[in-house]
Amino acid sequence: NAGVTQTPKFRILKIGQSMTLQCTQDMNHNYMYWYRQDPGMGLKLIYYSVGAGITDKGEVPNGYNVSRSTTEDFPLRLELAAPSQTSVYFCASSLRVAGTTGDTQYFGPGTRLTVL
Amino acid sequence: QKEVEQNSGPLSVPEGAIASLNCTYSDRGSQSFFWYRQYSGKSPELIMSIYSNGDKEDGRFTAQLNKASQYVSLLIRDSQPSDSATYLCAVRGRTSYDKVIFGPGTSLSVIP
Repeated sequence: NAGVTQTPKFRILKIGQSMTLQCTQDMNHNYMYWYRQDPGMGLKLIYYSVGAGITDKGEVPNGYNVSRSTTEDFPLRLELAAPSQTSVYFCASSLRVAGTTGDTQYFGPGTRLTVL
Repeated sequence: QKEVEQNSGPLSVPEGAIASLNCTYSDRGSQSFFWYRQYSGKSPELIMSIYSNGDKEDGRFTAQLNKASQYVSLLIRDSQPSDSATYLCAVRGRTSYDKVIFGPGTSLSVIP
C-alpha cells in the first residue's frame, strides 16, 4: 500500500514551458486534491475531484488544468509556466462518505517546482 | 470568502512546557476541524480531528473546540524537540461535500 505517490520530486521549467505533475493513490479514495504551498505559507487549493470524471476549481485554479479519468490518477497540467507558479505542489486524497464528518486527507511527498 | 486564521509564530516553548496553538474560522456552520503537523520539507499529516464542542485528548495532544466562539485550539503537553514543526488548522463546512480550508499554519519551536 504505497498511499499517495507524486512524480517528479523536483523540476525546473523555463517560462512558457508546460508540464504535467502526476499523482496516484492506491487507497480507493473518492476525493483527490491539488494544493500549492509557497514558502512560509499555508496550503492553497488549486483543483479537486469528488470522483472519476468530476473535477472542480479551488481557490487558485488559474494557469492549471486537471483531469480524472480513473479513481487512482489525478494529474495536474501547467500550461505556459510563469515564475508565479514556483511553489511546492502537494496532491492529497481522502475517503468521504455522505452524511459523515470524518475526512482525513493523505498527502503525497510533494513536487518542488521552479520556473525561471 | 471562508477564512481560517492562525498566529503565524514562530512560537517558542521550552522542552517540557505546554504549547498552545490557536485557530479561528469565519464559517459559523463549520462542522469538522482538523490539525495537521508538517515538518520542514515534508508533507502534512493529520494528528487530531474534532467535531463536537469540548476537549478531545490523544496522548500528549488535546484539541479544544468552541463553535459559539468559532475557535479551535491544540494543546501539546510535555513538549518535545520532535514536536518542532508547523501546525496547520483545517476546517470543513457543514456538509460532507464542502471543501476543506487550511489556515496559514503556526511554526512551533521547542527549545531543549
